Amino acid sequence: DAKTTQPPSMDCAEGRAANLPCNHSTISGNEYVYWYRQIHSQGPQYIIHGLKNNETNEMASLIITEDRKSSTLILPHATLRDTAVYYCIVRPFSSGSARQLTFGSGTQLTVLP
Amino acid sequence: DAGVIQSPRHEVTEMGQEVTLRCKPISGHNSLFWYRQTMMRGLELLIYFNNNVPIDDSGMPEDRFSAKMPNASFSTLKIQPSEPRDSAVYFCASSFGAGVAGGFYTQYFGPGTRLTVL
Repeated sequence: DAKTTQPPSMDCAEGRAANLPCNHSTISGNEYVYWYRQIHSQGPQYIIHGLKNNETNEMASLIITEDRKSSTLILPHATLRDTAVYYCIVRPFSSGSARQLTFGSGTQLTVLP
Repeated sequence: DAGVIQSPRHEVTEMGQEVTLRCKPISGHNSLFWYRQTMMRGLELLIYFNNNVPIDDSGMPEDRFSAKMPNASFSTLKIQPSEPRDSAVYFCASSFGAGVAGGFYTQYFGPGTRLTVL
């Protein structure tokens, strides 16, 4: 499995964009980049995923570098409710291996008023 | 959509008692996962169903744990007898998996059941 590296913590001012980086230099061609977050005492929440193109949804944008060795999750206008641990995960497309969704240590994002 | 629904949200029981956790996945999803989360061990996959069939139960700790999915809209995780070391938050997640690009790991989690075994 490709390993991911994230900074342990980041702060962001409310209303500003939060840019969360993730390095995955050993990513394989068939592996997607997924982002989840877990707000304290809640279940993990899927945010976005992508293969090689940039992706955007109602929650966030995902920017993947051309060589796919790193990516950035962007929360365009962070709010206090975005304070959470954010996890970058790399996993293959196929469900045949029934691989579990394992979270590393993630980035603790604190949105400051 | 109501999302993944789990019940109860909190359960406190005594050692040796039977515990049943319930999950209703998102309508239309064909994969269902049971996880356990503790501070020490993080998030652990216990069992995974696809189209109501258990596919991988290698994460089930021991015979005291069992899971069923009698239909596409309901699953249970049972612990009998329960022990204090089973205390954890148990999450159910669902996804529309096989054959959908990236779908298997686009999992939607329920709010969890916080289990305390005294």
